[in-house]
Amino acid sequence: EDQVTQSPEALRLQEGESSSLNCSYTVSGLRGLFWYRQDPGKGPEFLFTLYSAGEEKEKERLKATLTKKESFLHITAPKPEDSATYLCAVGTSYGKLTFGQGTILTVHP
Amino acid sequence: ETGVTQTPRHLVMGMTNKKSLKCEQHLGHNAMYWYKQSAKKPLELMFVYNFKEQTENNSVPSRFSPECPNSSHLFLHLHTLQPEDSALYLCASSQDVSGGYNEQFFGPGTRLTVL
Repeated sequence: EDQVTQSPEALRLQEGESSSLNCSYTVSGLRGLFWYRQDPGKGPEFLFTLYSAGEEKEKERLKATLTKKESFLHITAPKPEDSATYLCAVGTSYGKLTFGQGTILTVHP
Repeated sequence: ETGVTQTPRHLVMGMTNKKSLKCEQHLGHNAMYWYKQSAKKPLELMFVYNFKEQTENNSVPSRFSPECPNSSHLFLHLHTLQPEDSALYLCASSQDVSGGYNEQFFGPGTRLTVL
């Protein structure tokens, strides 16, 4: 059975304090690893897709990396507006995405 | 309108009511999805439609009935729901189901409360 585990469940940072979120996965056949950002009361917003181990993608203060067993979302010098829940999902066959439970990030000014 | 839209944004219904959720995508995609998001639980895939054909029913109770009249519109008909069905219902779309390679784009969701 496909499984996605995100850690930590919650992370509190000071503005400018860099850190990383972890997404560990067990799947029978990884097609893609997806990161989303979700603000309270809104739908998830797509951030990145990673397809193969060693791949990296960046967007502003966010950088996503992928190994054969996990993905990291690195946040460099975060700002309060980066506060959100970050979701990781793995794609398998026929468009199925299996999601982790998310990491709630709070950045204090 | 751009992206994926959902109506209504909020819905309160009794257990004997019948209501419908509507989703429309303006991205030219061919696959559409319904997800359920409950507090403290990961998003749960409910249904998948690819080119209007249902390709996935993730053991969803029959009180939830999906309908996909074309590739741009998706409905979720609700009937005789239970209080535990209260959740955020999210619609998403992607280019097609393409074996899990394509990113999905989500709507804002419908917050459903069942009394």
